[in-house]
Amino acid sequence: DTEVTQTPKHLVMGMTNKKSLKCEQHMGHRAMYWYKQKAKKPPELMFVYSYEKLSINESVPSRFSPECPNSSLLNLHLHALQPEDSALYLCASSEFLGQNTGELFFGEGSRLTVL
Amino acid sequence: AQRVTQPEKLLSVFKGAPVELKCNYSYSGSPELFWYVQYSRQRLQLLLRHISRESIKGFTADLNKGETSFHLKKPFAQEEDSAMYYCAPPTSFQKLVFGTGTRLLVSP
Repeated sequence: DTEVTQTPKHLVMGMTNKKSLKCEQHMGHRAMYWYKQKAKKPPELMFVYSYEKLSINESVPSRFSPECPNSSLLNLHLHALQPEDSALYLCASSEFLGQNTGELFFGEGSRLTVL
Repeated sequence: AQRVTQPEKLLSVFKGAPVELKCNYSYSGSPELFWYVQYSRQRLQLLLRHISRESIKGFTADLNKGETSFHLKKPFAQEEDSAMYYCAPPTSFQKLVFGTGTRLLVSP
């Protein structure tokens, strides 16, 4: 299995809702990433987990809360989002984080709309 | 700061024409750079990495340390090459920032 699977594919939520995005990989990768991609823009890094520990937080607002329950799963908990948070959220994984880590494997993304 | 830059937002060519998508990097060492491609309605995926020296779908990219460039080239573009192309740094960079991307549009 060489895929990164993200659920849900689409999510519509109000500004007072609490929801979660989920990501799963079974390639034995020890680094997992959340990216945010707005239309016609490159992916912007949000968080990186390495060996289930948060390694990088790119100054993301606290209304986004990542969680890595185990080496195969990555969640992004959403609470009190703003309409400008509407975007495609991409999960990715790589074998390791650091030198010569090889490629990133991306999921198809979860398209989030905040009303 | 370690970064990659892509100067062209859009590159429009006719089928059969040569293509060169530019990428420049700022890094003092020997980076392992990547090109990723995003076809319409498909996931972002690796196209090629310079270390492998492969040719994928007719594309090649050579790391030029003198010019600090990693341009993506194809001698004869095809319509199915139309996509967004991102130059990307290795995960050893302090900032995992993709290039701004170049949209390649190949017309018949």
